[in-house]
Amino acid sequence: DGGITQSPKYLFRKEGQNVTLSCEQNLNHDAMYWYRQDPGQGLRLIYYSQIVNDFQKGDIAEGYSVSREKKESFPLTVTSAQKNPTAFYLCASSMGGTLRPYGYTFGSGTRLTVV
Amino acid sequence: AQSVTQLGSHVSVSEGALVLLRCNYSSSVPPYLFWYVQYPNQGLQLLLKYTSAATLVKGINGFEAEFKKSETSFHLTKPSAHMSDAAEYFCVVTYGGSQGNLIFGKGTKLSVKP
Repeated sequence: DGGITQSPKYLFRKEGQNVTLSCEQNLNHDAMYWYRQDPGQGLRLIYYSQIVNDFQKGDIAEGYSVSREKKESFPLTVTSAQKNPTAFYLCASSMGGTLRPYGYTFGSGTRLTVV
Repeated sequence: AQSVTQLGSHVSVSEGALVLLRCNYSSSVPPYLFWYVQYPNQGLQLLLKYTSAATLVKGINGFEAEFKKSETSFHLTKPSAHMSDAAEYFCVVTYGGSQGNLIFGKGTKLSVKP
């Protein structure tokens, strides 16, 4: 079955460390997204990519970096510059098409905790 | 700025009672509208979507939503709540254009009492 796989499900980071969250999809979707979820704040967009080798900053990109070398993969790196990284991170993908949004497919998330 | 408002961060109903979760958007241009559900420590699952076809949209698990342009609303309803409906629900809008402009409501947590 097609879907989005995020790994790991739980991740612990020490102060000053960079960590990378994995997101892989086999839906043949063009667009992929990273969201951060904090209690009571809904989802906030970190980065998104509409095609391979191209990505755009979202609302809260500071302290994060991404790459899109393959259509199927959109890893997110949480750098030491991100001062409050403890959150639930969600990856999503969509068929794209600027005039016909089809809704997004979400992964099951990664919970990142700073220790 | 365009926004989406979910009235009530927590809603509690008894099993078998009507579920009503409210969503209003702020634009004179009709958007595309979605409702997603999230169970604890999981991703978001699409319940239903409005894309300018019928104004009454039926989704999964017995949920439906009605688009009312005059009220800029897209409230989610279910006639009879089940214990398994306990989750967080997000109203989401997009106006097309850039793929980065999906706008999320802050979510409503639904509790179902036995």
